[in-house]
Amino acid sequence: NAGVTQTPKFQVLKTGQSMTLQCAQDMNHEYMSWYRQDPGMGLRLIHYSVGAGITDQGEVPNGYNVSRSTTEDFPLRLLSAAPSQTSVYFCASSYGPAWSDTEAFFGQGTRLTVV
Amino acid sequence: DQQVKQNSPSLSVQEGRISILNCDYTNSMFDYFLWYKKYPAEGPTFLISISSIKDKNEDGRFTVFLNKSAKHLSLHIVPSQPGDSAVYFCAASANAGNMLTFGGGTRLMVKP
Repeated sequence: NAGVTQTPKFQVLKTGQSMTLQCAQDMNHEYMSWYRQDPGMGLRLIHYSVGAGITDQGEVPNGYNVSRSTTEDFPLRLLSAAPSQTSVYFCASSYGPAWSDTEAFFGQGTRLTVV
Repeated sequence: DQQVKQNSPSLSVQEGRISILNCDYTNSMFDYFLWYKKYPAEGPTFLISISSIKDKNEDGRFTVFLNKSAKHLSLHIVPSQPGDSAVYFCAASANAGNMLTFGGGTRLMVKP
């Protein structure tokens, strides 16, 4: 059971570089989300998707883009990396929305450092 | 301003004793609450949840209590085990929304 797979696990970027964090799930979940975790801040929602072709902004969307061309994949793009984007990024998927009685499954995380 | 707060960044308890982790929220629209556990270098995993129509939910050693009037929830772990040592996040969501709002986390250390 692969569950939610994130790549890469670690990445160092220079300020201004762009990159894509990959997220794939094999549970046929409709709902997928990206979070960032910063010390003392918990996890904050960046973008989410309720199905293929549908995305929406979360709490902290600036500087990030997403797309959802398939049910399985939900990549997160950093357009021009900034030191403030240094964080640990988690992708999550679930069968139903956040407020329903369904469990969200998280990937192992991507630790990103922007220098 | 954080809508979900966990005011204790860390908690240390002895094995076999009760662990009580607390969480406060400010948004009265929140009606579904969850607890996640996170080990180092892993993603969070779901632990237990509670709807606002209930004031208690139990699952084995884990019980979540909700006090809506005080906008407060707590997670009780009895008895605590060393394997429970992790960071615990509470989270909340509001109906008709697709967002989970997380607290800052509490690091629990259970000493043998």
